[in-house]
This record gives sequence, C-alpha cells and structure tokens, in this order.
Amino acid sequence: GENVEQHPSTLSVQEGDSAVIKCTYSDSASNYFPWYKQELGKRPQLIIDIRSNVGEKKDQRIAVTLNKTAKHFSLHITETQPEDSAVYFCAAAEPGRRALTFGSGTRLQVQP
Amino acid sequence: DARVTQTPRHKVTEMGQEVTMRCQPILGHNTVFWYRQTMMQGLELLAYFRNRAPLDDSGMPKDRFSAEMPDATLATLKIQPSEPRDSAVYFCASGLTGTGVGELFFGEGSRLTVL
Repeated sequence: GENVEQHPSTLSVQEGDSAVIKCTYSDSASNYFPWYKQELGKRPQLIIDIRSNVGEKKDQRIAVTLNKTAKHFSLHITETQPEDSAVYFCAAAEPGRRALTFGSGTRLQVQP
Repeated sequence: DARVTQTPRHKVTEMGQEVTMRCQPILGHNTVFWYRQTMMQGLELLAYFRNRAPLDDSGMPKDRFSAEMPDATLATLKIQPSEPRDSAVYFCASGLTGTGVGELFFGEGSRLTVL
C-alpha cells in the first residue's frame, strides 16, 4: 500500500517568513494529494489539494507543488502569521482506494 | 453548517472495559472513515465504509476492535476489551467519493484514556 513520509516534524519560523513542508509518497499510481491543518485540540481541516494532472496550485498565501517523477509534493506558506501555527498533514490517495494515507505531521510554530 | 458529530468527546475507562464510539456523518456523504491519532503514529486509518459496506478494516486489530455502520446516519467503533495502548484520539470523517477521494470532513474526535 501507499506510504507517505513527511519532513520536517517540527518547524519554527519568524512571522513574515516563508515555511516549506515536504512529503514523499511510494505508489506512483497515487493521484490526489491534499493538505490538512489541525489547530491545537481541533479537527483536521482541508486547506489545499492537488491532483496529479497539475504541477502547482495556489490559494492566497499557500501553494502546493507536485513532482510526479520524483514522487514528492510540498506545501509552501508565504508571509506566515501566528494563526498559521498548527500541525500540518500531507496525504495521498491511490485510484480505486477511496481513503487517504497521511504523513506523520509537521508542527509549525510562527514566532511573533 | 453540516458537521460530522462524534460521541463521546472524552472517555476515561479501566483496562478490560468495553468502549463504544459513535459517529453521525454528514447527510448525503457516502463514505465514512475511522482514524486514530496518537503522538507517535499521526493519523492512522482503522477502517472505512462506502454506502455502508465495509471496504477496508486492515488497520484495525481484529481481536479487539470492530466497526459497523448499522444505518446511513450512524457508524460505530467498538473496543472490547480495551487496553492502555488504545489511548488516543479517534476521529470519524465522512466524504463524498466517486471514482476517487475528495475532501474529508472530520468530527471533533473522541479522546479515549484507558487506565
């Protein structure tokens, strides 16, 4: 089955800096790659996703890039703010398997 | 604002006791997932159902865990007997899946502590 690895496990940045979180996946057939944000004590919520037919997607300060050849994808957050502090999970899904395999999470701390 | 509802939110129990967690998915969603979250394992898939049929429960310890979906508005996850290593937050999520996966909507989670 699919295996997703996520790095780094913790990331601390100054407010206004950029943050990058990287994930690799094992199954070349995977075609859907979402990112979820989980604030402390809350539920995970989708913030952005990308499908394998595109290489990049942006939504205001967040963007996701996908490199199918290398089987990795990344989350980019620009102009970070304290409210971006949370745990971020990447995930991947193989076609025909209607469930997500999640990475181990990255705890992002934005220092004011 | 449609949400996935989970009960109980918190449960403290003694080792060996039975624990049942319940989930009401968002009306109209056809797929329901159970994930377990621990500090060490992240979000671990336990089981999921599509149109109430179990599709995969390979992530569950079969000897003590069972998952069912008796109707479209209720999914249950049962642990019997519970053990301290089962202490975790259990999330239910629902979504609308066709040929692939879409957005998952998570409940608030059930925090289980087994003493």
